[in-house]
Amino acid sequence: ETGVTQTPRHLVMGMTNKKSLKCEQHLGHNAMYWYKQSAKKPLELMFVYSLEERVENNSVPSRFSPECPNSSHLFLHLHTLQPEDSALYLCASSHRLAGGTQYFGPGTRLLVL
Amino acid sequence: EDKVVQSPLSLVVHEGDTVTLNCSYEVTNFRSLLWYKQEKKAPTFLFMLTSSGIEKKSGRLSSILDKKELFSILNITATQTGDSAVYLCAVEDRSAGNNRKLIWGLGTSLAVNP
Repeated sequence: ETGVTQTPRHLVMGMTNKKSLKCEQHLGHNAMYWYKQSAKKPLELMFVYSLEERVENNSVPSRFSPECPNSSHLFLHLHTLQPEDSALYLCASSHRLAGGTQYFGPGTRLLVL
Repeated sequence: EDKVVQSPLSLVVHEGDTVTLNCSYEVTNFRSLLWYKQEKKAPTFLFMLTSSGIEKKSGRLSSILDKKELFSILNITATQTGDSAVYLCAVEDRSAGNNRKLIWGLGTSLAVNP
């Protein structure tokens, strides 16, 4: 499989559930990103991992917990979410030193009930 | 605060029309400007612009950057229904160093009717 993949593609969860989103990139990149995309808002950068080290955390609530075990995999662990967390969660990857071009996965459409 | 503003927010045209999408920015530490196309889920990369006045072209799509007036345009000629998508503009913030932080606009939603 090529490019950036994300699973699951759709997720419905209750506010007390715990779930995880998975992202995998097959492009040999060394930086990975989580974004949140909500209606009528710009893409919101949540987390950046560069060389498997977290380098950016944009004031994201602690109910979102990222994990980057290696340069090809990125997880977003979710617990006790709120309905306003319902959104499209996009993963992206890039080369750290090769310009700003980021390659995106298809996203996980999350609905919190 | 750094920001990227796109206009119009939405646009409806007929096949064969030419469209121009606008992106203006206020980013203190500009590195580059990027255009993406988002059809259903994943934004896909179109262009990266770093220098003023140099047009980038790919088929019917072209883009140019004006670093003095702080804007970019994306042109699509002879539009087709397959061009229907949201077009996103993003500016790379140099102050993020090698960590490649992008500041995104809201996007322009383009609908091309047959």
